[in-house]
Amino acid sequence: EAGVAQSPRYKIIEKRQSVAFWCNPISGHATLYWYQQILGQGPKLLIQFQNNGVVDDSQLPKDRFSAERLKGVDSTLKIQPAKLEDSAVYLCASSLDLAQGAYQAFGPGTRLTVT
Amino acid sequence: SQQGEEDPQALSIQEGENATMNCSYKTSINNLQWYRQNSGRGLVHLILIRSNEREKHSGRLRVTLDTSKKSSSLLITASRAADTASYFCATDARGAQKLVFGQGTRLTINP
Repeated sequence: EAGVAQSPRYKIIEKRQSVAFWCNPISGHATLYWYQQILGQGPKLLIQFQNNGVVDDSQLPKDRFSAERLKGVDSTLKIQPAKLEDSAVYLCASSLDLAQGAYQAFGPGTRLTVT
Repeated sequence: SQQGEEDPQALSIQEGENATMNCSYKTSINNLQWYRQNSGRGLVHLILIRSNEREKHSGRLRVTLDTSKKSSSLLITASRAADTASYFCATDARGAQKLVFGQGTRLTINP
């Protein structure tokens, strides 16, 4: 079974620029998550999709962050404009059905540096 | 906000020793999960324990759950250098349908 794919692996941008991350979940996984992980901390959930609908985006800074999941498969997360405090690793994860106690499979992450 | 709090924040032991990490949480849960993260990598699921379970084993891993104390522990026996990583507990709070991760324990195994 192929794992969760993410690209790019690394990105360096200047503040006020925009950036986009891409995620391809495990085939058949209905639920997709984007997390932000700041150095030395645990992952913080930004947004959760069930198929192509948003389940939870309560911690997504909507003035600058946006995400979509096209056709319930791939997803993109965008930051526009970026701030210095957005420097972090952005992790994508997917699962079968969290309501049934499924675990989450994580991609390798995208390390973003904002200068 | 973080639901789970791991203790200790960092742990350094000799290869072959056992490592114990603890996690405390605040609300009622459906299940609690432990994940490992090697430096620069994504998280890897280790084990899931449901709220009606008290202990679970997987290879060299042993997880306990005490719902009355809202705490869990992860024991790694006969540690190896390859166990060096950060370990996170994550709770699936009742009614939330999402995982909330703690800050993690950074484990270093010295050869």
